[in-house]
Amino acid sequence: QVQLQESGPGLVKPSETLSLTCTVSGGSISNYYWSWIRQPPGKGLEWIGYIYSSGSTNYNPSLESRVTISVDTSQNQFSLKLTSVTAADTALYYCARVGGYRGPFGYWGQGTLVTVSS
Amino acid sequence: DIQMTQSPSSLSASVRDKVTITCRASQNITTYLNWYQQKPGKAPKLLIYAASSLHRGVPSRFSGSGSGTDFTLTISSLQPEDFATYYCQQSYSTLWTFGQGTKVEIK
Repeated sequence: QVQLQESGPGLVKPSETLSLTCTVSGGSISNYYWSWIRQPPGKGLEWIGYIYSSGSTNYNPSLESRVTISVDTSQNQFSLKLTSVTAADTALYYCARVGGYRGPFGYWGQGTLVTVSS
Repeated sequence: DIQMTQSPSSLSASVRDKVTITCRASQNITTYLNWYQQKPGKAPKLLIYAASSLHRGVPSRFSGSGSGTDFTLTISSLQPEDFATYYCQQSYSTLWTFGQGTKVEIK
């Protein structure tokens, strides 16, 4: 059974960079699309972007200038970097596996809360 | 951007009720439409993919239908564990978007 686990700092200062890693266990990261999704407290879901195991990416245009998603197949991990954060970036951040190109989010991590505050 | 609009935003229902949630896309998305269930403090779970395919392990009381711009999630007989928030999501365009959610509460 594939499992995903997010990790990273729970508190980030305004204007700094949010960095999260998703570790995949129970299956290979190769030949799949992997995604980041976030959810501000009490609000709905926002797709951030995805990466294929080969490294090709697609980002939400609203975040594209600040987002980088990368993959490390040797570690079975993929990562999210979001620069110049503000309070509006405070959210639960989820990593997920995409079921094929344009497929659904079939597997999700438990989520990690990132708060942007000084 | 393709906007996904769910209705209603919330509903109250009783156990064993039939519940229908609608999701409308701002343009044709064929059947690139998925449904998720989220309970408080938990990650969303996939229920239905490609508009009408039941994800493995999901009870058969859940069903999905539709194509183009109009989609429906139906729970044929609401169970206590089904009280949650439901989201639709499209993956037709290069910008994937979710509906705003429908909260199903106990009457």
